[in-house]
Amino acid sequence: EVLLVDSGGGLVQPGGSLRLSCASSGFTFSDFWMTWVRQAPGKGLEWVASINPDGSVQFYVDSVRGRFTISRDNGEKSLFLQMHSLTIEDTADYFCAKGEWGDNWGQGTPVTVSS
Amino acid sequence: DVVLTQSPLSLPVTVGQPASISCRSSQSLSHGDGGTFLHWFQQRPGQSPRRLIYMVSNRDSGVPDRFSGSGSGTDFTLKINRVEAEDVGVYYCMQTTHWPGTFGQGTKVEIK
Repeated sequence: EVLLVDSGGGLVQPGGSLRLSCASSGFTFSDFWMTWVRQAPGKGLEWVASINPDGSVQFYVDSVRGRFTISRDNGEKSLFLQMHSLTIEDTADYFCAKGEWGDNWGQGTPVTVSS
Repeated sequence: DVVLTQSPLSLPVTVGQPASISCRSSQSLSHGDGGTFLHWFQQRPGQSPRRLIYMVSNRDSGVPDRFSGSGSGTDFTLKINRVEAEDVGVYYCMQTTHWPGTFGQGTKVEIK
């Protein structure tokens, strides 16, 4: 069974940084693209970033490019999202997802940017 | 970026009756390799999204056969043959033909 466990969210001040993690099991992590999707409170879904299986290619939505970095550790079967220069607009639940097409999703980790 | 427009945004349905959600794209979602990368997700209250349909019409494992997807080019539809109480939630279409991937606004399905 595919399992994705998101962690690392929390309360951070505007301009601050946070690193999200996603631990995986139940599939060959190194064979798949991985994706981060976020959902602001009461809002819809927004694709944030994706990374290819070996980590050499990353794609970002314009609103986070240059501030967020997606990375992975295939040995640890884990996905990461390093977030810098956070703004109030980055407040959301962050979900990791298997594949570019959202095959399976983690439970989400909440990020709150507030002073 | 590709804009996906869903309608309706709210869909009250009687249990046992059919339901249909439309997703229209601002650009054709037909990829050069012949595939069309339009997918449907269900998000029940308080839960993570779950994919129901991938590449227009392929049902994911464990998804009841009352769910079906169809369409091509810029117009796509998710149909629920006979709505059950457990189908309450928000439904999203998503395209990954063009980077970045984008979602529709969501359609909230509720029971009358």
